[in-house]
Amino acid sequence: KAGVTQTPRYLIKTRGQQVTLSCSPISGHRSVSWYQQTPGQGLQFLFEYFSETQRNKGNFPGRFSGRQFSNSRSEMNVSTLELGDSALYLCASNSGGAGGETQYFGPGTRLLVL
Amino acid sequence: KQEVTQIPAALSVPEGENLVLNCSFTDSAIYNLQWFRQDPGKGLTSLLLIQSSQREQTSGRLNASLDKSSGRSTLYIAASQPGDSATYLCAGYNYGQNFVFGPGTRLSVLP
Repeated sequence: KAGVTQTPRYLIKTRGQQVTLSCSPISGHRSVSWYQQTPGQGLQFLFEYFSETQRNKGNFPGRFSGRQFSNSRSEMNVSTLELGDSALYLCASNSGGAGGETQYFGPGTRLLVL
Repeated sequence: KQEVTQIPAALSVPEGENLVLNCSFTDSAIYNLQWFRQDPGKGLTSLLLIQSSQREQTSGRLNASLDKSSGRSTLYIAASQPGDSATYLCAGYNYGQNFVFGPGTRLSVLP
């Protein structure tokens, strides 16, 4: 079974631009979660989507948004990029039951904002 | 709100040693706890998941325990190898909060 894939793997943007990241979950998984990882803050939860609906949301500004499609693929968007948005963005999928199932992570997208 | 801490922040051991990594959490209403490893610049690999009703889980040389009453989990690695060098993160899951991750322990196993 193919693992979680994320595209692109690396991205360089400038302040004020917007960016869209994509995540394809493991086949059959209906839940996709997004995380931001930085050296200073560690791994922080952004949001979770299940069956095209946002099921859970972390404490990030509205510039961070996401969506999930009917095939469970998910995208996250960051508008008006700031230098502090430079990070490794990870997505994880699971079967999406009651919650808390084993999370399977993708390799991440490394975003650099200049 | 769940908070997760891990000690030590970094650990260096000679090959062959048995070692213990510690994870503490503040909310005992935890639903489950998961241990991951992360290699530099890479995503996370799930190692073990312990449900709140379980006390421990084992996979090969790894054994993880969970004590909800004391708010602690430990990851025991037997007969460590250089290939075990990585950052180990624990994450607690509470309903409505999704997974909350600790800062990680960076492990170096020296040949």
